[in-house]
Amino acid sequence: GAGVSQSPSNKVTEKGKDVELRCDPISGHTALYWYRQSLGQGLEFLIYFQGNSAPDKSGLPSDRFSAERTGGSVSTLTIQRTQQEDSAVYLCASSSGTATPETQYFGPGTRLLVL
Amino acid sequence: KQEVTQIPAALSVPEGENLVLNCSFTDSAIYNLQWFRQDPGKGLTSLLLIQSSQREQTSGRLNASLDKSSGRSTLYIAASQPGDSATYLCAATGAGSYQLTFGKGTKLSVIP
Repeated sequence: GAGVSQSPSNKVTEKGKDVELRCDPISGHTALYWYRQSLGQGLEFLIYFQGNSAPDKSGLPSDRFSAERTGGSVSTLTIQRTQQEDSAVYLCASSSGTATPETQYFGPGTRLLVL
Repeated sequence: KQEVTQIPAALSVPEGENLVLNCSFTDSAIYNLQWFRQDPGKGLTSLLLIQSSQREQTSGRLNASLDKSSGRSTLYIAASQPGDSATYLCAATGAGSYQLTFGKGTKLSVIP
């Protein structure tokens, strides 16, 4: 596709349920990032994938959060046993992975609301 | 730990005015600094990227400057238009890093 896509665009869930958020990066981009934007807070880094290297998970806030990237393309962010404080906009970005620094291209985000 | 601050949190100006958005960062050992625009319900659009060796970057009506020694960056918007209304975010990347550290943004409203 022309840009980074994310699905769903909105997700409402009940506390304690698991959710999966999907990201389709720009074709050919080897680097993929997940960020979280909470109300009143800045964007915070969650996880970074680069090619076949082990992901950098240093930004994940708890072990309820995990992410996978299958085939070096699509990524899924999973939140288990969701809590109200998980409510936020989850943004995915990708970049070519060929240079540093380089522009990260962001998707529209998934707005998650935990009731 | 890098911290990025943007002041003011919100700004309202009449159409046609020139304006400056401010960004400050605590660790001057940055690799680059980026300015993004975020429209409601949408993702971020990269506006300008300034590498640590550069002083400024220009794109159309936008000009971003970087002063590492003082830990500051500014985004200058000339002849503002209602379509410029959005939230503007700055983000710093540390040396040897790919992680962006974001400020909380400045919400700009340009009044027709």
